[in-house]
Amino acid sequence: QKEVEQDPGPLSVPEGAIVSLNCTYSNSAFQYFMWYRQYSRKGPELLMYTYSIGNKDDGRFTAQVDKSSKYISLFIRDSQPSDSATYLCAMSVSGSARQLTFGSGTQLTVLP
Amino acid sequence: GAGVSQSPSNKVTEKGKDVELRCDPISGHTALYWYRQSLGQGLEFLIYFQGNSAPDKSGLPSDRFSAERTGGSVSTLTIQRTQQEDSAVYLCASSLDVGAGETQYFGPGTRLLVL
Repeated sequence: QKEVEQDPGPLSVPEGAIVSLNCTYSNSAFQYFMWYRQYSRKGPELLMYTYSIGNKDDGRFTAQVDKSSKYISLFIRDSQPSDSATYLCAMSVSGSARQLTFGSGTQLTVLP
Repeated sequence: GAGVSQSPSNKVTEKGKDVELRCDPISGHTALYWYRQSLGQGLEFLIYFQGNSAPDKSGLPSDRFSAERTGGSVSTLTIQRTQQEDSAVYLCASSLDVGAGETQYFGPGTRLLVL
């Protein structure tokens, strides 16, 4: 079993929809949780960074962490075609960039 | 300023040949990381550098893989006697430091195909 599990999709939604992306993990020591966005033939870029539990909002994006269920989510409101990309979750125990464990990514397409 | 750059963008090689992949990090970033991304897989951590030093090489898949960094800047990842299972996208990232909360900035990757 992988330490971090992520549904690969693909996920296809109409423009304006609310998108929910999720990851589950098995290592209860993880405290730092990140979401990366990766456009086709590009490197990943950091979208959201959260420590421990709770919610974090940034514009149309909300990251949620539920440590009791070992489950994290990324919500995208009013989705746009420009949100079409692969979304990768990542997490670590220490928060150090050298110790990240990534999910395999969910491919999202937002249809105009 | 310029982001992380990698060369070549694409590399096709024959099984058994050696390849060198290059990464130019963002100027002033002391930390540099190499990852491998295979189709349908997440990013697999290979190695990181703090300055020119690589404290942890345990992520390298085999002794055919090696990496070096010179002048605290450019890094090369070398794969000797390439195998078909080495085919993947090799991503490089850099950050100001390796501390908690430091953001990694990724390059576009080198797509390696071993025939």
